[in-house]
Amino acid sequence: AQKITQTQPGMFVQEKEAVTLDCTYDTSDPSYGLFWYKQPSSGEMIFLIYQGSYDQQNATEGRYSLNFQKARKSANLVISASQLGDSAMYFCAMGAGAGSYQLTFGKGTKLSVIP
Amino acid sequence: DAGITQSPRYKITETGRQVTLMCHQTWSHSYMFWYRQDLGHGLRLIYYSAAADITDKGEVPDGYVVSRSKTENFPLTLESATRSQTSVYFCASSDPPGHRNTEAFFGQGTRLTVV
Repeated sequence: AQKITQTQPGMFVQEKEAVTLDCTYDTSDPSYGLFWYKQPSSGEMIFLIYQGSYDQQNATEGRYSLNFQKARKSANLVISASQLGDSAMYFCAMGAGAGSYQLTFGKGTKLSVIP
Repeated sequence: DAGITQSPRYKITETGRQVTLMCHQTWSHSYMFWYRQDLGHGLRLIYYSAAADITDKGEVPDGYVVSRSKTENFPLTLESATRSQTSVYFCASSDPPGHRNTEAFFGQGTRLTVV
């Protein structure tokens, strides 16, 4: 069984500062993918970034980067230069093995960006 | 427009009633999913489908029925709604495993209240 743990229910960050949202995962399958989604107050789920278990380099997408530490089973999301529009819930998710298309989600972290 | 749409966006129903939530995608993705989102639980998989006429249970399937006669549609039916099924329901679709980016694309969500 797969498990995703997000230990920060809520976080605050000053505008223009960088912030790291934590995510640890647990799976016995050597092949898996890690995803981050953003859910603003309007409710939709927005895909941010993906990291495959065999990827040699950390994924980056614009201001988002994924700090992937395989030995520690962590996949932290780093948002650089925070903007007010980054205020939202952030979910870490994993798809593993033969069921890699089925995502297991963490409980989320609510990020608030302060002007 | 290409995308994934859910209907209705909001629904109030009474305990014991049957209710169907609709999901339609225009990407021709083979995989489709239904998740429910509850406070403190993140998103949990209810059912998924790998192709037309192929469906399987997820983590929380009890009380729900799905069908997929056409690739683009994946309706979710609550046969006899209960208050515990009050939730926000998300439909999603994705390419099959093995594609480089297998992120799931989500609909806008359906907020269902069972009274």
